Amino acid sequence: EAAVTQSPRNKVTVTGGNVTLSCRQTNSHNYMYWYRQDTGHGLRLIHYSYGAGNLQIGDVPDGYKATRTTQEDFFLLLELASPSQTSLYFCASSPGGNTGQLYFGEGSKLTVL
Amino acid sequence: GDKVKQSPSALSLQEGTNSALRCNFSIAATTVQWFLQNPRGSLINLFYLVPGTKENGRLKSAFDSKESYSTLHIRDAQLEDSGTYFCAAADQGGSAKLIFGEGTKLTVSS
Repeated sequence: EAAVTQSPRNKVTVTGGNVTLSCRQTNSHNYMYWYRQDTGHGLRLIHYSYGAGNLQIGDVPDGYKATRTTQEDFFLLLELASPSQTSLYFCASSPGGNTGQLYFGEGSKLTVL
Repeated sequence: GDKVKQSPSALSLQEGTNSALRCNFSIAATTVQWFLQNPRGSLINLFYLVPGTKENGRLKSAFDSKESYSTLHIRDAQLEDSGTYFCAAADQGGSAKLIFGEGTKLTVSS
């Protein structure tokens, strides 16, 4: 079974704060993704990567940076957090882009006050 | 418009009954995945489909790429089936991005 681990699971920060969400997968998958989930919008793709050092822009990238430091680790960076970024964030990995099964982490709940 | 449209948006079932969820695609979908988001928020893999059918216990899913739809059948619904079901499709265009539907919220009651 694929394993994707996110941290922290819960985070509260203030407007303008700096937040890093971490994701690690131990399945040697090439692709990793960051999604946000909000009521009324379903799952929306922020950024994704197909390998260490690679970054691709998703559908809602504004206000977010991301970095893939290794095949296992993918980070989502909010350098000036805003209340509109309060959301549930999911990391996911897959072996082959949209041709491989997607495996999600447990989610990280971020609240920006 | 919606590239992946799920129906119904919400559904209530009695324990022991059967039902079907549907996804319609306005893209040339090549593969489909179904997920269950349980009440605790975890996203659980249910099926990964190329055109055809798969079955797992009380769940059965079908994907017809020519008619551009997929279905998820739930037989003998149980309380633990409650949650939100999402389908996601890969576009023939080759992007590494999956396109998600908005979900079907299922409530099973005794």
